[in-house]
Amino acid sequence: DAGITQSPRHKVTETGTPVTLRCHQTENHRYMYWYRQDPGHGLRLIHYSYGVKDTDKGEVSDGYSVSRSKTEDFLLTLESATSSQTSVYFCAISEVEMVWEQETQYFGPGTRLLVL
Amino acid sequence: AQSVTQLGSHVSVSEGALVLLRCNYSSSVPPYLFWYVQYPNQGLQLLLKYTTGATLVKGINGFEAEFKKSETSFHLTKPSAHMSDAAEYFCAVSFQGGSEKLVFGKGTKLTVNP
Repeated sequence: DAGITQSPRHKVTETGTPVTLRCHQTENHRYMYWYRQDPGHGLRLIHYSYGVKDTDKGEVSDGYSVSRSKTEDFLLTLESATSSQTSVYFCAISEVEMVWEQETQYFGPGTRLLVL
Repeated sequence: AQSVTQLGSHVSVSEGALVLLRCNYSSSVPPYLFWYVQYPNQGLQLLLKYTTGATLVKGINGFEAEFKKSETSFHLTKPSAHMSDAAEYFCAVSFQGGSEKLVFGKGTKLTVNP
């Protein structure tokens, strides 16, 4: 258990409404990630963070923004939600394994978002 | 560019039978390879990973995978399926120093029949 929580776990919203999802970690990991999971697409990276106030875009970043003002929190914002953003959103963190210098990712429980 | 292909979006086996889930990758640099499992309505859980060293990797729940560079494959196996193995399995690839570049396959849903 990498100490990751996501909130809310479920949300229904309307098109055009702003939505913010929160990822919280308790173990001071440097890297945090947001993915979306859709049938037939697997997981696709939206944004990631490599430190406080340090973020970068992933594969499917259009329509999303992120913020990380504290090590423990990584926020994903949909500025104006669209039906195509209906998905399951997963947060992940990396634990550095110094032996191989490889950062293995561990995932939170997910947030189900429905945009009507 | 890196990519991952999982052959078969659905695999069905009988309880006690061999489980074989296929994963092929493309990468221009030596890859790090992962298998994750997702049970219904849950997040992804790391099953096993290959970074360097021994090419046969053992993971949790009796699963193992073998890295075959010549075949660019990292297939997941389990000698004897159990009902509790029913889940969706994802193969993923990264490369040294590029953890933000973890690329996932589209997943294989495993059904175990009694």
